[in-house]
Amino acid sequence: GAGVSQTPSNKVTEKGKYVELRCDPISGHTALYWYRQSLGQGPEFLIYFQGTGAADDSGLPNDRFFAVRPEGSVSTLKIQRTERGDSAVYLCASSFGQGDTNEQYFGPGTRLTVT
Amino acid sequence: AQSVSQHNHHVILSEAASLELGCNYSYGGTVNLFWYVQYPGQHLQLLLKYFSGDPLVKGIKGFEAEFIKSKFSFNLRKPSVQWSDTAEYFCAVGRSGYSTLTFGKGTMLLVSP
Repeated sequence: GAGVSQTPSNKVTEKGKYVELRCDPISGHTALYWYRQSLGQGPEFLIYFQGTGAADDSGLPNDRFFAVRPEGSVSTLKIQRTERGDSAVYLCASSFGQGDTNEQYFGPGTRLTVT
Repeated sequence: AQSVSQHNHHVILSEAASLELGCNYSYGGTVNLFWYVQYPGQHLQLLLKYFSGDPLVKGIKGFEAEFIKSKFSFNLRKPSVQWSDTAEYFCAVGRSGYSTLTFGKGTMLLVSP
C-alpha cells in the first residue's frame, strides 16, 4: 500500500518568505507527527496530532511555526518569515491509533533550503 | 528533558565483521526503545523495538538489541554484517504513555565488501 508522502520533496525559498509543507499520512492512521532533521543530527520532534487536534506542540521552536490537520488526514506545516536556520529536512510520520507503542511510519521528507 | 546519546558517528567495517552500536539515554522513568535505519535514498524505517518483557529483542535482517536498565542502554548488535547493511542507524526513546520520540544523532555505518 501507499506509504507516507510529502510534498514538495525540495523547497528553496528566500529569507523572510512563507512556506507550506504538506504531509499525506497512511490511510487510516489517526496519529501524525512532524519532525525536523538538521544536518548531522537525528530527527527532532516538532508537533503531534491525534485526529484533527494537536495533542503535543511542545517541539515547535517559536511562533513562526504552525501546523494544521483540519480533516484528520492531510497535514500542513507552515513556516512564516523563514530564516536560514530553518534549513533542514522536515519529516512527517504517521501511526495507527494512539499510544506510545505504535510504530511510526516515516515519509521521505521535504528538504527546505532558506537562502 | 530526556536525551539520547549514540557513541559513534561513523563506523567502518568489513563484511562478516561483528557490529555493536551504542545507545544511552537519560530518563529515569519507564521508556520504550527503538532502532530505526535509513538506507541510502530511502525513508527511515523501524529495525526493532522494545516495550517490555525479554530485554533481548530481535529485529529484521538479523539485528538484535539488548536493553540494560541499570546502564540506561539499548545497544544494537549484528554478528556478521553485510555490504547491504550500509546505512545510517538511529536510536530513539519514547517515554511510556507519550507518543513522541527523542532521537540520537545517528551512526553512519559503512560496510566494505
